[in-house]
Amino acid sequence: DAGITQSPRHKVTETGTPVTLRCHQTENHRYMYWYRQDPGHGLRLIHYSYGVKDTDKGEVSDGYSVSRSKTEDFLLTLESATSSQTSVYFCAISESGPALHFGNGTRLTVT
Amino acid sequence: AQSVTQPDIHITVSEGASLELRCNYSYGATPYLFWYVQSPGQGLQLLLKYFSGDTLVQGIKGFEAEFKRSQSSFNLRKPSVHWSDAAEYFCAAQLLEDTDGGSQGNLIFGKGTKLSVKP
Repeated sequence: DAGITQSPRHKVTETGTPVTLRCHQTENHRYMYWYRQDPGHGLRLIHYSYGVKDTDKGEVSDGYSVSRSKTEDFLLTLESATSSQTSVYFCAISESGPALHFGNGTRLTVT
Repeated sequence: AQSVTQPDIHITVSEGASLELRCNYSYGATPYLFWYVQSPGQGLQLLLKYFSGDTLVQGIKGFEAEFKRSQSSFNLRKPSVHWSDAAEYFCAAQLLEDTDGGSQGNLIFGKGTKLSVKP
């Protein structure tokens, strides 16, 4: 899928623990995004990046932070996981503007 | 507020029948418009997109969509559905803003329409 690898693919963690999800791309695209997908809500943007060390908040950014130290990697961190953050997380990339390409997702369960 | 609405949560069609999935958007200006498909356990795959020009756009897998400005709609169609088309379909819209030499926009998704196909 457009050279996007998300890791891990599945994770179960306990409430209150920190969690980091990784998105790695081989396309050298400028823009990277993190979305979460929940039943009845579609996909909602958490954070995005428009270059190395350049990030901004999306619609549902509370409780999440991101970092991008290299073009190819975009990390999503849940500082202290809560049950409401149980979701499927998708990374997406684009070179310039519209038409995103998505990874296969990470299923996160917070118990 | 900007929004994308897919009125149908779940649609069932018979194999070989025609299909139309509805999508309406609410934006101040005409956004870029997309349809994505998601098979179970998979990521989203871009079916087609509309930026400007011809209002009937062709996509992959035999899908097409028609942009109607007067109705703020971008409905997805397929003349003959195959069992492998069973999946969830998402309409999305995006307004681009300039950012530091590039352009970016929040891609807003509808809540999806699940398509089931009867044999």
